[in-house]
Amino acid sequence: NAGVTQTPKFQVLKTGQSMTLQCAQDMNHEYMSWYRQDPGMGLRLIHYSVGAGITDQGEVPNGYNVSRSTTEDFPLRLLSAAPSQTSVYFCASSGINSPLHFGNGTRLTVT
Amino acid sequence: DQQVKQNSPSLSVQEGRISILNCDYTNSMFDYFLWYKKYPAEGPTFLISISSIKDKNEDGRFTVFLNKSAKHLSLHIVPSQPGDSAVYFCAASAGNNNDMRFGAGTRLTVKP
Repeated sequence: NAGVTQTPKFQVLKTGQSMTLQCAQDMNHEYMSWYRQDPGMGLRLIHYSVGAGITDQGEVPNGYNVSRSTTEDFPLRLLSAAPSQTSVYFCASSGINSPLHFGNGTRLTVT
Repeated sequence: DQQVKQNSPSLSVQEGRISILNCDYTNSMFDYFLWYKKYPAEGPTFLISISSIKDKNEDGRFTVFLNKSAKHLSLHIVPSQPGDSAVYFCAASAGNNNDMRFGAGTRLTVKP
């Protein structure tokens, strides 16, 4: 049982480049979400999805896109990377009325 | 506007003693509170939760206390063990995972 799998673990981008952070879960969870963790800020919600074909914005959605074509996958796209997007990104999923299960994170540096 | 605050960035305790981690919140709509534990290079993992209808929830060495009037919760670990050394995040929600807010975390170090 792999749980929530994120790839890549590390990424360095130049300003203006685009990339996709991958997230997959094998627990058949309907709810999936993306967070960023910054020093002194805790975890902040970027986007979330309550099921395939349904996505919505969280606290800090600007500069990011998501899609949910299957229950298992929830990729996060950076359209034009900026230094302010340097962060650690966590994907999470949950079943109904249950706590979040997190992946191990992607550490992104934008230079 | 941080709705969930953990005012102590770090805490150091001796093995066998009690660890007390504190968390304050401002939104009176929050009715479900959780603690997550995070080791380096891993994602947060769920530790314990409490709903607003209770003031205490216990799971082994871990107990969470909720004081709704003070908008304060705390996590007690007794006895503390070196394996408990991690960053602990407090989280609160008003019923949905998409409105959950996290504190900035407290790094606990348990010394042998």
